[in-house]
Parts: sequence; C-alpha cells; structure tokens
Amino acid sequence: DAKTTQPPSMDCAEGRAANLPCNHSTISGNEYVYWYRQIHSQGPQYIIHGLKNNETNEMASLIITEDRKSSTLILPHATLRDTAVYYCIVRVNNAGNNRKLIWGLGTSLAVNP
Amino acid sequence: NAGVTQTPKFQVLKTGQSMTLQCAQDMNHNSMYWYRQDPGMGLRLIYYSASEGTTDKGEVPNGYNVSRLNKREFSLRLESAAPSQTSVYFCASESREYQETQYFGPGTRLLVL
Repeated sequence: DAKTTQPPSMDCAEGRAANLPCNHSTISGNEYVYWYRQIHSQGPQYIIHGLKNNETNEMASLIITEDRKSSTLILPHATLRDTAVYYCIVRVNNAGNNRKLIWGLGTSLAVNP
Repeated sequence: NAGVTQTPKFQVLKTGQSMTLQCAQDMNHNSMYWYRQDPGMGLRLIYYSASEGTTDKGEVPNGYNVSRLNKREFSLRLESAAPSQTSVYFCASESREYQETQYFGPGTRLLVL
C-alpha cells in the first residue's frame, strides 16, 4: 500500500470550512483513499473514502485530484467537536488476506471558537 | 447493536505477568484486527484475522499471540508482559459489505511496570 503525507497540525475557526490535505503521490490505480479521525484517546472513526471521483456524505466531502496524487478532506462547517487527529490512508480493496493498513501520524486539527 | 467492545478498559501489570485482552463485535464482520498506539504515534498493526479460523501477523507481532475464537471474538494475549508493551490497544472489525471500512472499539489502556 502507498504511503501518505499530511501536515502535522492545522487550525480552523468554528463555523468555517476545514480543508485537510493529503499527498499520496505513489498511489496505485486500484488503491482507494480513506479518511479516519481519532478524537482524543477514542478509537478511530471512519469518515469517508473514494477511488477517483469526489465523494460526499453527511460528515465530509472528499476531493481527489485528477492524477490521484493528492486529496483534500473538507469539513464544511467545522465545530469544536471536530477537533481530532485526521488520518489519510490508501489501500487496495478486496485484497484477500493482504489487509495491512499503514497509519501515519495524521493531521491534528484544532477547531477554535 | 454495541458495535465493537473491548475488555478491560484499563489494566496494570507487572513485568512477566500474562493477560488476555478481549474483543467482540456484533456486526457479523469477517475481518478483525488488533492495533497498538503509542504516544504521538499512529496505529501499528499487531495481528489480524481475515476470517474465522485464520490469523496473520502484522507489523509488530513479537510478544503477542491471538485467537479468533469464533466470528464474533478475537483475543490478544501477552504471555510475559514487558514495559515496552505499555500502550493503548485497539481492536477493529471490518465490513466487506461497505467497502472495507473499519470500526474500532474504545481501546484498552495497558501499563506494564
């Protein structure tokens, strides 16, 4: 699975959009981009994932560049409860027994009042 | 529907003691995982089980054993605890039906003295 690069920390004002970038320049054609977040000391929580099209759900939007070498997670109206560490991961789906996710250090997002 | 549950929540061990961390999921997922997370670091995979009756090593398996007791339960055993195993342990299960997203338990905080 390809590795990802994320900024170590970001700040965002409450109510504004939070845009979290992720670089995955070595991504393969069959690798998906997943985003998870971890709110202080809790287990990570799935947010969204995509292959090449932009995706949106009730939590966030995922924008993947046309060359798929980078992506951006967008929290449209950040709240204080969105303060967390956000992880960007790439992996192959339906990989049989090869299910080893590689978790980096993520981006620590602080949403400020 | 409790999702993924882990017991115990906290544990203090002395060096050389043994213990088993329990994990159970009620989502009928085939795959289950054990991770450890050390301060300031991302999650590292210890062992995983792609399906009932199978287990495979992850990134950091030394000092641990696992048992996939049935489809619901996946336990992690420390035979002779060492201070280097002080960590937070997370169990996860994975849904193949929803594009292989992982669902995490609340974690077990282990201190080895």
